[in-house]
Amino acid sequence: AQRVTQPEKLLSVFKGAPVELKCNYSYSGSPELFWYVQYSRQRLQLLLRHISRESIKGFTADLNKGETSFHLKKPFAQEEDSAMYYCALSAGSNYQLIWGAGTKLIIKP
Amino acid sequence: KAGVTQTPRYLIKTRGQQVTLSCSPISGHRSVSWYQQTPGQGLQFLFEYFSETQRNKGNFPGRFSGRQFSNSRSEMNVSTLELGDSALYLCASSLTGARVEAFFGQGTRLTVV
Repeated sequence: AQRVTQPEKLLSVFKGAPVELKCNYSYSGSPELFWYVQYSRQRLQLLLRHISRESIKGFTADLNKGETSFHLKKPFAQEEDSAMYYCALSAGSNYQLIWGAGTKLIIKP
Repeated sequence: KAGVTQTPRYLIKTRGQQVTLSCSPISGHRSVSWYQQTPGQGLQFLFEYFSETQRNKGNFPGRFSGRQFSNSRSEMNVSTLELGDSALYLCASSLTGARVEAFFGQGTRLTVV
């Protein structure tokens, strides 16, 4: 079965420190992976998707098919990065997005 | 262009009642998905509609139902409300479904007392 695992419910780091939010998936084919972010009192919104290979707000994520991971990274965390982050998977002919449980990121001043 | 609009924003209902939530997708979007969001469970998928047909369904009881109209607007209905149904209900629209960006509404906060 397709599954997305975000092992950390909460991640707390100091401003300026590197950040890595983990995402592992289970799917044997070619997945499409997304990171969505929900800032306080704002809508859930797309942060980035692996196919675009973009860096958004300093965040990057590389799809590692060997390790079935799509970790989200930022070299220097900023206080405005504090938010809830969700990893999501789209796979095969299933039109449903499979979501991870989410990681709450807190950036300490 | 206008974003995804959900109405109402807040609702308070009594156990046993029923409730209908509405979602207006972005113009041109044919896929509408519904989610239940709670602090403990995160995002739980309810169902997805595409061109007025339910295409996917999550693991929720039959008390949760939905429909989509010809203009892509969607409604979600919950009958015989239980205290555990208290949650933020999110609607997301996209052009075709998965593999493309989903745009979320602000949600409807349902409180069952």
